[in-house]
Amino acid sequence: DAGVIQSPRHEVTEMGQEVTLRCKPISGHDYLFWYRQTMMRGLELLIYFNNNVPIDDSGMPEDRFSAKMPNASFSTLKIQPSEPRDSAVYFCASTFTGWDGYTFGSGTRLTVV
Amino acid sequence: ILNVEQSPQSLHVQEGDSTNFTCSFPSSNFYALHWYRWETAKSPEALFVMTLNGDEKKKGRISATLNTKEGYSYLYIKGSQPEDSATYLCAFNIQEYGNKLVFGAGTILRVKS
Repeated sequence: DAGVIQSPRHEVTEMGQEVTLRCKPISGHDYLFWYRQTMMRGLELLIYFNNNVPIDDSGMPEDRFSAKMPNASFSTLKIQPSEPRDSAVYFCASTFTGWDGYTFGSGTRLTVV
Repeated sequence: ILNVEQSPQSLHVQEGDSTNFTCSFPSSNFYALHWYRWETAKSPEALFVMTLNGDEKKKGRISATLNTKEGYSYLYIKGSQPEDSATYLCAFNIQEYGNKLVFGAGTILRVKS
């Protein structure tokens, strides 16, 4: 298995533009998580899905953020409009059950200028 | 807000030294405790998932223990090597949170040869 695949690896965009981050979880994993890593707050959970259904989106900072999981093999995190304070590394992770460790993707480094 | 505290924040040791870190978490309604190893420019990699009080897990020179009654876990590295240099994250979840992990800020380990 190729692991959790995220794209793009790096994204530089101008303030106000729409940004879409993509994630392909490991096949067979029922849970998918979106995390954001910043110097100030460390790794913080934004949203997670179980069997493609959003379970907890309490970490999504604002209405500008939205996430979807249309099928078991694909999820997107969208920011519209983007702001400089959204600059961070966004990680996607998946797991089969809560008893297993998470497998993280390589992350997307987002820079909003 | 549930917090995970890790200490120390950073640690510099000589090759061959043994070292240990602490992770403190709320002990009520405990579900699972995870340890991750995070190398610079890579993604976090699961080391251990522990669920039972008194659990002890080992992977090569790295081991971890768990005390759910008092809310702490220790990670030990025996005979540190330069390749052990990384940030070590712990994370926990409680029953009310389902599969949502709360991460600590991590302990940064640097091993000098």
